[in-house]
Amino acid sequence: NAGVTQTPKFQVLKTGQSMTLQCAQDMNHEYMSWYRQDPGMGLRLIHYSVGAGITDQGEVPNGYNVSRSTTEDFPLRLLSAAPSQTSVYFCASSQVFSFSGGQYFGPGTRLTVL
Amino acid sequence: EDQVTQSPEALRLQEGESSSLNCSYTVSGLRGLFWYRQDPGKGPEFLFTLYSAGEEKEKERLKATLTKKESFLHITAPKPEDSATYLCAAGVGGATNKLIFGTGTLLAVQP
Repeated sequence: NAGVTQTPKFQVLKTGQSMTLQCAQDMNHEYMSWYRQDPGMGLRLIHYSVGAGITDQGEVPNGYNVSRSTTEDFPLRLLSAAPSQTSVYFCASSQVFSFSGGQYFGPGTRLTVL
Repeated sequence: EDQVTQSPEALRLQEGESSSLNCSYTVSGLRGLFWYRQDPGKGPEFLFTLYSAGEEKEKERLKATLTKKESFLHITAPKPEDSATYLCAAGVGGATNKLIFGTGTLLAVQP
């Protein structure tokens, strides 16, 4: 199994540009989530999904959109990039309603917005 | 407001010098306390889940414990390869599951 994969690994955007961060998992996990990690702030939940067709907002959803058309994929869209969105983004997955095995995290995408 | 606080922010140990990392939490409806290890440039790696006060979990030189207000990650006789950032997170419940993360403890073990 590849686990959780994320693309791209690095990205530089200009203010106002849009892009999609890709996330895929091959563990048949129902629960998927997106976090951003900033120095001194810890990991903060952006959006999450408990299954295909079901998404909800996390702690810091503004400026981001998600959709979940399949169990495997959970892309994160930046609608109009801003410098405040410069961060490292992690996708994670786990079984729904049970974190006993922990969440599996992808390797991250490092995004810089100029 | 749900909150997780870790201390210290950074810890430097000599190889073989045992110590503990602290994670205090204030959440409603705790659905597990989680410990992760994060190496530079990588995603967090799951270590332990604790569900009830008094519970303990062990893995190699690491042992995690849980009380009603905090969790400890005890590191016994650490080695340089234990150097990493250790994150704790509280699972909060209701109909959905979310993790509230602390800011982590950066551990450096010197040979």
